[in-house]
Amino acid sequence: AQSVTQLDSQVPVFEEAPVELRCNYSSSVSVYLFWYVQYPNQGLQLLLKYLSGSTLVKGINGFEAEFNKSQTSFHLRKPSVHISDTAEYFCAVSDPHAGGTSYGKLTFGQGTILTVHP
Amino acid sequence: EAGVTQSPTHLIKTRGQQATLRCSPISGHTSVYWYQQALGLGLQFLLWYDEGEERNRGNFPPRFSGRQFPNYSSELNVNALELEDSALYLCASSALLGGEQFFGPGTRLTVL
Repeated sequence: AQSVTQLDSQVPVFEEAPVELRCNYSSSVSVYLFWYVQYPNQGLQLLLKYLSGSTLVKGINGFEAEFNKSQTSFHLRKPSVHISDTAEYFCAVSDPHAGGTSYGKLTFGQGTILTVHP
Repeated sequence: EAGVTQSPTHLIKTRGQQATLRCSPISGHTSVYWYQQALGLGLQFLLWYDEGEERNRGNFPPRFSGRQFPNYSSELNVNALELEDSALYLCASSALLGGEQFFGPGTRLTVL
């Protein structure tokens, strides 16, 4: 079964500082990787995705992530955060070739709460 | 283009009652997924429907069930509600197996 580990449950940073949110996943032959953001009392919004191709993926709101197959990691980065980036961030994985209980679904990490202080 | 919609926004029930949650996917998406986001438990996969059929279900008891209609909208039914069923229920749709899923705003279910 797939698993995703987000290494930090909470990350406090000051405005305009850089940030990295860490994500590791269980190894598989091929995976699709995603980062979602959830603002309070809202659903999930897709930030970026890795399906294939370039390992550096750029997303919305200035976020980017790098797929590292050897490290089985997909860390999310932003060079300069804003107050409005305060939210919970979820890393997720799917295996398009999986069967059984992993068939078709997204497996999420536990989430990282990013708090940006002025 | 309209996104995924869910209704109702909030639902309050008492223990033992039944709850029905509804979801309309993005136009052209045939797959609908349901997830439970309970406090302290993260996002847990509940059910996946595609082309009217249940394709996969998560580790939830049979009192969690649902269906998908010919227009690809979906219902999630929770019978014999328990206090621990209180959670945000998120619906998502997708056009590509294993690809990105687009989420609705959720239904907040409170069981008293």
